[in-house]
Amino acid sequence: AQSVTQLDSQVPVFEEAPVELRCNYSSSVSVYLFWYVQYPNQGLQLLLKYLSGSTLVESINGFEAEFNKSQTSFHLRKPSVHISDTAEYFCAVTSTGGFQKLVFGTGTRLLVSP
Amino acid sequence: GAGVSQSPRYKVAKRGQDVALRCDPISGHVSLFWYQQALGQGPEFLTYFQNEAQLDKSGLPSDRFFAERPEGSVSTLKIQRTQQEDSAVYLCASSLGTDIYGYTFGSGTRLTVV
Repeated sequence: AQSVTQLDSQVPVFEEAPVELRCNYSSSVSVYLFWYVQYPNQGLQLLLKYLSGSTLVESINGFEAEFNKSQTSFHLRKPSVHISDTAEYFCAVTSTGGFQKLVFGTGTRLLVSP
Repeated sequence: GAGVSQSPRYKVAKRGQDVALRCDPISGHVSLFWYQQALGQGPEFLTYFQNEAQLDKSGLPSDRFFAERPEGSVSTLKIQRTQQEDSAVYLCASSLGTDIYGYTFGSGTRLTVV
C-alpha cells in the first residue's frame, strides 16, 4: 500500500516569489508520482508526472518537481509564481504495476497575493 | 465530447434518499475510475472499470454504494439510503488504455446530504 503526506495545508506567497510545495510518500514497491492542480469548482488537472528516467520533471507553465528516492519525496517548485497559480495542489502516487489507482495527499492550497 | 462529463453538477438529497450519479467518459476510453473527495481532503479511490468489467471495488465505503458500467461506456454510481457522511464531491476519471498516461478527470458531482 502507498500513502502520501503533504504537510502544508496552505502556503501563502507574494506574486513573483519562489514557492515549494512539499510531498513525501511511502511505498514498499516502485511508484509513479504525480502533481495535480484543482481550480475552484473544477476537476483535477495533471500538472506533471514522474514515470521513469530523469528525476527532474517540468510542466509547460513553469513548475518543476524532483523525484528523490532516498528521501521518498517529490516536492513541487516554481521560481516565480503568478496570481493565476492560486489553486489547490495534490500530490499522488501509484504503483508501477496493476491498473494504477491513485493515492492522493490531502492537498496544499497555494495562495498568491499581489 | 471532448472531456469527461458528469451529471448532475450538484445534488442535494435528504437523508435516506437514493441517488444516482452519472459519468460520461471520453469516447473510446477503456478505463474508468470513481473517486470520492470529502471537504478539505484529497480524492479517495472508490472503484475501477475496464470496459464493462468492475475489476476493483475495494474503495466503496459500504454496501450502500454500487457502481455499474453495463456497456463499457457510461457509468453510474448509486448510493442507497444516503447519510450525512456521504456528502462529498464524486469524481470520475477515464483513460484510453490501462496505463496512467491519459488519465482525465471530470468536474465532479457535489453531493450534499441534509
